Amino acid sequence: SAVISQKPSRDICQRGTSLTIQCQVDSQVTMMFWYRQQPGQSLTLIATANQGSEATYESGFVIDKFPISRPNLTFSTLTVSNMSPEDSSIYLCSDRVVDDYGYTFGSGTRLTVV
Amino acid sequence: AQKVTQAQTEISVVEKEDVTLDCVYETRDTTYYLFWYKQPPSGELVFLIRRNSFDEQNEISGRYSWNFQKSTSSFNFTITASQVVDSAVYFCALSGNDYKLSFGAGTTVTVRA
Repeated sequence: SAVISQKPSRDICQRGTSLTIQCQVDSQVTMMFWYRQQPGQSLTLIATANQGSEATYESGFVIDKFPISRPNLTFSTLTVSNMSPEDSSIYLCSDRVVDDYGYTFGSGTRLTVV
Repeated sequence: AQKVTQAQTEISVVEKEDVTLDCVYETRDTTYYLFWYKQPPSGELVFLIRRNSFDEQNEISGRYSWNFQKSTSSFNFTITASQVVDSAVYFCALSGNDYKLSFGAGTTVTVRA
């Protein structure tokens, strides 16, 4: 299965600033996803990162707040823009391995906004 | 729309006891996959097991076993002879035709020595 390197692993940011999270996969994958996990909660899908086109966002998430890039089949970034304390969460990227029907997850980015 | 329900919020057991985690799902897709993940305090998601909708055979893998019943839309997971290292949050998840993973709310398992 694919291995995902996600960074940073954690960060403390000032409100009003932006943070970009990167995920690098060690092989080409068809689909990549971004999730948010608020404190004590489950994982919620933010968007599907599409290679070469705009990401597909889930209800409640917008591109202006969470711009996503996926320039190739092995790399994607998620930016959390104009942060507020409510954005404090763990953000995880994931990919779907087509032939294996499995999902690999990055190690997560623990974001604290102060 | 897909939905995964984990009714148990927290389970606390003494070491060596068995732990069974319940998961009930809803989907209109005829082909789907069910998963169990473990999330220790460090935060990473650890894949445990996967089952597709056409395979109801229940298996045992080490101390883990699962019971998949399509008739009741349930995919329960059991840890046998629990250990302190099993303490974590366990998530049941479902993916269907759109390949998006839907997670349950999670069950926090605490194993006391």
